[in-house]
Amino acid sequence: DQQVKQNSPSLSVQEGRISILNCDYTNSMFDYFLWYKKYPAEGPTFLISISSIKDKNEDGRFTVFLNKSAKHLSLHIVPSQPGDSAVYFCAASGTTGGSNYKLTFGKGTLLTVNP
Amino acid sequence: GAGVSQSPSNKVTEKGKDVELRCDPISGHTALYWYRQSLGQGLEFLIYFQGNSAPDKSGLPSDRFSAERTGGSVSTLTIQRTQQEDSAVYLCASSLRDGYTFGSGTRLTVV
Repeated sequence: DQQVKQNSPSLSVQEGRISILNCDYTNSMFDYFLWYKKYPAEGPTFLISISSIKDKNEDGRFTVFLNKSAKHLSLHIVPSQPGDSAVYFCAASGTTGGSNYKLTFGKGTLLTVNP
Repeated sequence: GAGVSQSPSNKVTEKGKDVELRCDPISGHTALYWYRQSLGQGLEFLIYFQGNSAPDKSGLPSDRFSAERTGGSVSTLTIQRTQQEDSAVYLCASSLRDGYTFGSGTRLTVV
């Protein structure tokens, strides 16, 4: 039973346009959400996070939106750049940060940004 | 070191053999996690160490899997009597307060 779902295995966008990656979750106990980015042969790197007390968090070109009632979050990248091409993982936990948590990950979405 | 170091980066082993995977976390990070990513799957939680507390082993898929963390630093994940379904990338991460830092992983192939 997948508690974190990324239903699009891949997404292709043009450089300069907006990339929107989606994530749904089923566990209502999740209250902290993160996005990780992974290049081939490297470990995932932290990108951005959001606590359930917020509905939006922005960091430069990256914005994460959280819709708790729909149990849905999305990552917006604008403008998209070829270097953003990677696999993006959505993750969730039941604690609001701190080191004492384990994350539940989605299967990832491969983003390709075409020049 | 500056990051989380895992060794070996690649391991090919015969079915039935035991393997040991090593993780050197970032110095001072009190929490250490093992995850694995099988082909086409997300990252699956295996085990979590926090300081001197008993580890959370709830993600280990069978009793063939075990892990230890010596001196609160280096961790070893051991898989006994490997099976083909154990083939995956095994990722280690460490953290201090918030956010993981992952290593590059060990790609295990059981033939």
